[in-house]
Amino acid sequence: DIQMTQSPSTLSASVGDRVTITCRASQSITTWLAWYQQKPGKAPKLLINKASRLESGVPSRFSGSGSGTEFTLTISSLQPDDSATYYCQKYNRYPWTFGQGTKVEIK
Amino acid sequence: QVQLVESGGGVVQTGRSLRLACAASGFTFSSYPMHWVRQAPGEGLEWVAVISYDGSDEYYADSVKGRFTISRDDSKNTVYLQVNSLRAEDTAVYYCARESIVSSSCLDYWGQGTLVTVSS
Repeated sequence: DIQMTQSPSTLSASVGDRVTITCRASQSITTWLAWYQQKPGKAPKLLINKASRLESGVPSRFSGSGSGTEFTLTISSLQPDDSATYYCQKYNRYPWTFGQGTKVEIK
Repeated sequence: QVQLVESGGGVVQTGRSLRLACAASGFTFSSYPMHWVRQAPGEGLEWVAVISYDGSDEYYADSVKGRFTISRDDSKNTVYLQVNSLRAEDTAVYYCARESIVSSSCLDYWGQGTLVTVSS
């Protein structure tokens, strides 16, 4: 099965900073990658599909890129509401797999 | 608006069974594949199972294969997860989620989750 590895596991940044999270797949998944945001005690929220397509209603400061085995989620200007854990997920074929998550904290 | 409401969680002894349910509303349920995803306390997300829109196909994570069964009742707009032979490591919040048929198959709506605690 394809494994998904995120880095870093946690990051701390200031409001207004540019933040980048990396997700690596153990095999090529072309662009079958999604990013989710989860806040404590809440269900995950879909941010990006197909590696780079922003979901409706998601702020434009979020962007995704990559293909094959390496992907990134970028927050161009970190806001207090972005404090959360972010997960990548591959969905090219079953079983689907999530990365282990990246916790983003505001300094 | 789309709503997914899980139920059926609780405290159960090792080796016993539970049936989780997820009631859907606000969309044409019979057109959508449905998934279960779980999250152990303080841990990340783990995909568990999927059932196709017409119930003809099911897929499972290796960790639950042979013990869990996903099913759906379109007359009740409900998807189920039968969880058998429960182990301590099955302790988690179980979420149901809808697979988008627009946004290239991601999970676009999630329920609030139901907690299953397996104790000895």
